[in-house]
Amino acid sequence: GENVEQHPSTLSVQEGDSAVIKCTYSDSASNYFPWYKQELGKRPQLIIDIRSNVGEKKDQRIAVTLNKTAKHFSLHITETQPEDSAVYFCAASIAGTASKLTFGTGTRLQVTL
Amino acid sequence: DTGVSQDPRHKITKRGQNVTFRCDPISEHNRLYWYRQTLGQGPEFLTYFQNEAQLEKSRLLSDRFSAERPKGSFSTLEIQRTEQGDSAMYLCASSFGLGSNHNEKLFFGSGTQLSVL
Repeated sequence: GENVEQHPSTLSVQEGDSAVIKCTYSDSASNYFPWYKQELGKRPQLIIDIRSNVGEKKDQRIAVTLNKTAKHFSLHITETQPEDSAVYFCAASIAGTASKLTFGTGTRLQVTL
Repeated sequence: DTGVSQDPRHKITKRGQNVTFRCDPISEHNRLYWYRQTLGQGPEFLTYFQNEAQLEKSRLLSDRFSAERPKGSFSTLEIQRTEQGDSAMYLCASSFGLGSNHNEKLFFGSGTQLSVL
C-alpha cells in the first residue's frame, strides 16, 4: 500500500514569511495529492490539490509542487498570517482507488506576530 | 449548512458498550468514507461506500466494527464491545465520484470524538 511521509512535524515562522511543508510518497501509481488544513477541534479542510499530470498549482498565497520522478510534493504558503496557524496534512491516493487517501502525519504550523 | 454533518460530536462510553455514529453526506455526493484519526496523526481510511454498496474495508476495521449506508444517503458506523484502543476521532467524508479511476475531492465532517473509559 501507499506510505506518505511528511516533514517537518512542527514549523514556526514569523508573520509575512514563507512556509514550506514537504511530503514523499512510496507508490508510483499515486496520482492525486490533496492538502488539508485542520484547526484545533475542527474538520480537515481541503485547501489545494494537484493531479499527477501537472507539476505546479497556485491559489493566491498557496502553491503546491509535484515531482513525480522523485515522488515528492510540497506545500508553499507565502506572506503567512496568524490565521494560517493550524495543522496541515498532505495525502495521496492511487489511481483506481477512488479517493481512498493515505495521509501524512501532519505539520503544526505556528505563525507568530 | 450543506456540508457533511456528523452526530454526535462527542461520545463517552464505558469499555464493553456498543456505540453508533451517524453521518449525513453532502446531498449530491454518491461516495461516503469513514476515517479514524488519533491524536497527532493523520486520518486513516476505514471503509467507503458508493451509493449503498460498501466497496472496501481496511484491515483496521475489525469484526467489532460495522458500517451501513442502507439507502445510499446517510451512513452509520457501529462499534460493538468497545475497547480503550477505539478512542479516537471518527471522521466521515463524502465526494462525487465518476468512476473507479477518478480521484475526486473529499469533504470531511467535523467528526465524532469517542472516548472509551
